[in-house]
Amino acid sequence: GQNIDQPTEMTATEGAIVQINCTYQTSGFNGLFWYQQHAGEAPTFLSYNVLDGLEEKGRFSSFLSRSKGYSYLLLKELQMKDSASYLCAVSPNTGGFKTIFGAGTRLFVKA
Amino acid sequence: GAGVSQTPSNKVTEKGKYVELRCDPISGHTALYWYRQSLGQGPEFLIYFQGTGAADDSGLPNDRFFAVRPEGSVSTLKIQRTERGDSAVYLCASSLNGGNTDTQYFGPGTRLTVL
Repeated sequence: GQNIDQPTEMTATEGAIVQINCTYQTSGFNGLFWYQQHAGEAPTFLSYNVLDGLEEKGRFSSFLSRSKGYSYLLLKELQMKDSASYLCAVSPNTGGFKTIFGAGTRLFVKA
Repeated sequence: GAGVSQTPSNKVTEKGKYVELRCDPISGHTALYWYRQSLGQGPEFLIYFQGTGAADDSGLPNDRFFAVRPEGSVSTLKIQRTERGDSAVYLCASSLNGGNTDTQYFGPGTRLTVL
């Protein structure tokens, strides 16, 4: 079956660093996405990993280990506007075109 | 340029009624996806179009759900005999070329409430 697990909620302090973990079990693998979703808004793309390693993009970095079925999103220099849900999504290699989303991690950034 | 747009933004209907939800993708995007999202959950895949054809409809929950994209641009998601369990936010996304690795751009969604 297809399964994606990520923590339900996290709280961090403005200016700090936070790591949001994601583990997945899917039939094949074509890549892993991270999306940000503010309450009541549409998800917006943050990152895509298909090879093992760290992809850095400004304050946000994403890591992938395919052998472990594991990814994390690292947010540095947290700002209040980073309070949102962070969705881990996997593109399985099942012959179709689905993207499987996790339930999301709600991040609360406090002053 | 303009992003993905969806209409209506909110739809309230009664159990048993028929509804249509519309999606206007980003101009030039060949791929279009429909998802639905319940509170506290991630988007759940429904259907994927490449051009005019439904390349993957494996996420449609039952035969009450149907979607079309007759000219390869605008898409309509149609739900017959709505049930209270259909209440959710229906999200549309488009991507430039489609496939498993293309970035998807989401619209603001239609919040459907079935009374």
